[in-house]
Amino acid sequence: KQEVTQIPAALSVPEGENLVLNCSFTDSAIYNLQWFRQDPGKGLTSLLLIQSSQREQTSGRLNASLDKSSGRSTLYIAASQPGDSATYLCAVTAETSYDKVIFGPGTSLSVIP
Amino acid sequence: SAVISQKPSRDICQRGTSLTIQCQVDSQVTMMFWYRQQPGQSLTLIATANQGSEATYESGFVIDKFPISRPNLTFSTLTVSNMSPEDSSIYLCSVSSLRGVHGYTFGSGTRLTVV
Repeated sequence: KQEVTQIPAALSVPEGENLVLNCSFTDSAIYNLQWFRQDPGKGLTSLLLIQSSQREQTSGRLNASLDKSSGRSTLYIAASQPGDSATYLCAVTAETSYDKVIFGPGTSLSVIP
Repeated sequence: SAVISQKPSRDICQRGTSLTIQCQVDSQVTMMFWYRQQPGQSLTLIATANQGSEATYESGFVIDKFPISRPNLTFSTLTVSNMSPEDSSIYLCSVSSLRGVHGYTFGSGTRLTVV
């Protein structure tokens, strides 16, 4: 059974710092991995999608990497801003069941001005 | 990617009543998904809704409690029935294109509080 974990559970950094969020999954047979952002009480906004054949994806100050064989992904945020404060969730889709998306518990990020 | 309109955005409901949440997509999609996010928790899949067939429910969720309609390829509703305070959660609908090839898109969520 696929399990997804995220470290750290919470992170507080001063504005301007670069930071890394970690995601691990137990079954490497994934179809893709997606990083989301969730503001309090709101829905999910997709940040980056990495297909299983890809190593990384970039969007602005965000860079996500994927090491499928070791079951790890990282989300790198450069030059953090207070507006980046949110919960970040990673989610994996299994190779054998595209309909099943397994979410990690999330990392709560607070960027202090 | 698809754009999803989810209503209501929030509601406060009395114990024992029911609430229907609507999800409208701007393009035709085969599968729509309903999730629950309890306070401080991650997302849990409630059911998958296919147009023209019964929804498929995950373990721990039943149709009598969470009836789902899917009348066409752009619309779905989730009803939370006979509510109790334990149903207080954020409910989200989601769609994918090409069976997940392009990832998943989520609605803005419905924040439900049962008193």
